[in-house]
Amino acid sequence: KNEVEQSPQNLTAQEGEFITINCSYSVGISALHWLQQHPGGGIVSLFMLSSGKKKHGRLIATINIQEKHSSLHITASHPRDSAVYICAGGGETSGSRLTFGEGTQLTVNP
Amino acid sequence: EPEVTQTPSHQVTQMGQEVILRCVPISNHLYFYWYRQILGQKVEFLVSFYNNEISEKSEIFDDQFSVERPDGSNFTLKIRSTKLEDSAMYFCASSKERGFYGYTFGSGTRLTVV
Repeated sequence: KNEVEQSPQNLTAQEGEFITINCSYSVGISALHWLQQHPGGGIVSLFMLSSGKKKHGRLIATINIQEKHSSLHITASHPRDSAVYICAGGGETSGSRLTFGEGTQLTVNP
Repeated sequence: EPEVTQTPSHQVTQMGQEVILRCVPISNHLYFYWYRQILGQKVEFLVSFYNNEISEKSEIFDDQFSVERPDGSNFTLKIRSTKLEDSAMYFCASSKERGFYGYTFGSGTRLTVV
């Protein structure tokens, strides 16, 4: 059974701080999505990665396949970054479904 | 940028009633999915659909649930006889290729069963 675990569950930061959210996943998952969920509930895909590192603006996602670990970093955090960040994994053994982590509630204070 | 569109955004229904949640996936996507999120819980997979048939379903997706692509553009989730525990946010998603490349989520339908 594929599993995805995220930490921390809650994270509060001051504007400008560097933020890291971590995700560990089980054997059978070969790539991860990082997703953002806003208070209204909608889900936006930020990254999909199966190796290495991706960057988009102030967001950076990395994945270590050997350690089955991925991180999402936010540089120069801003209050508008406040949201729930979710990692979700998929892979050959689970077909096309995504297995979701619990999410990390990020609050960035001005 | 192409979007997955879900309607309605919020639906309230009485226990025992049938509901149909509607989704319009991105036009050149081939795989379609329904997920749900009960309030305060993580998102759970319900079903995936490809080539006009279910390709995978979870243990949640029992006989009360069905999916259909009636006209080549819409993708619907029907719950035959709603229960209180069906109250959740339901997300439709679509992807171009099998797996997770180009996975796009809709904005969700909040279903409240009273």
